Amino acid sequence: DAGVIQSPRHEVTEMGQEVTLRCKPISGHDYLFWYRQTMMRGLELLIYFNNNVPIDDSGMPEDRFSAKMPNASFSTLKIQPSEPRDSAVYFCASGTGTRGYTFGSGTRLTVV
Amino acid sequence: GDSVTQMEGPVTLSEEAFLTINCTYTATGYPSLFWYVQYPGEGLQLLLKATKADDKGSNKGFEATYRKETTSFHLEKGSVQVSDSAVYFCAPSSGGSYIPTFGRGTSLIVHP
Repeated sequence: DAGVIQSPRHEVTEMGQEVTLRCKPISGHDYLFWYRQTMMRGLELLIYFNNNVPIDDSGMPEDRFSAKMPNASFSTLKIQPSEPRDSAVYFCASGTGTRGYTFGSGTRLTVV
Repeated sequence: GDSVTQMEGPVTLSEEAFLTINCTYTATGYPSLFWYVQYPGEGLQLLLKATKADDKGSNKGFEATYRKETTSFHLEKGSVQVSDSAVYFCAPSSGGSYIPTFGRGTSLIVHP
C-alpha cells in the first residue's frame, strides 16, 4: 500500500498561470477529499467525492477552482488563473468513512 | 454543523511528562471521534478513534475515551517523547459520510 500519492510536492508558479494538482487515492477507498491548509485559516475542506461523484463543493473558494475525479484512481484540483492568495498546502485524503481517512503528503503551492 | 474546540497551544512539555490535550465537540447525531496527528512537513495521520460512548481508542501510547455525556474526547499520554512534537487535531465525524470536522489543532512541543 503506497498510501495516497500527490504530485507535485512543490509548485511555484506566476500569478495568472493555470495550476493542476494531482492525487491518486488508495485503492478501494470510496471517498476522496481535497483540503487546503494555511496558517491564517487552518485546514479547509474544499470538495469531496463519493464513488467519483462530487458531493459537496461548497468549500471551493471561487470559480477559479475546479476539481474532477474521472475514475476511482485519480483526481485533479485545478486553479485557473492562480493568484498569490492561493498559496497554501493542498492535501488530498481518501477513505471509507468509518475507519477514518488517509492523507497524502500534500502539495505546497506558491504563487508569485 | 459540527464543531470542535481545542486549545491551539503551543503546549510545551519536558520529555517523559504527562500529556493531556482537551477536546470538546458539538455534532449532529452520534458521531465517531478521531484524533489525527501532523508532523512537520507531512500530511495528517490517523492516530486513534472511538465509535461509541465509553469506547477507548489507543495507539502509540496515546489514549482517548469517548465521553458522550460531556461531549469530550481528551487525548492523553503518560510519558511524551521529543518525537511526539507535532500538531494534534480532534475530529468528530458525523453523518452518513463520516466527514471529519477539523479545528485549528493543538501544537505540542516536547523538549529533551
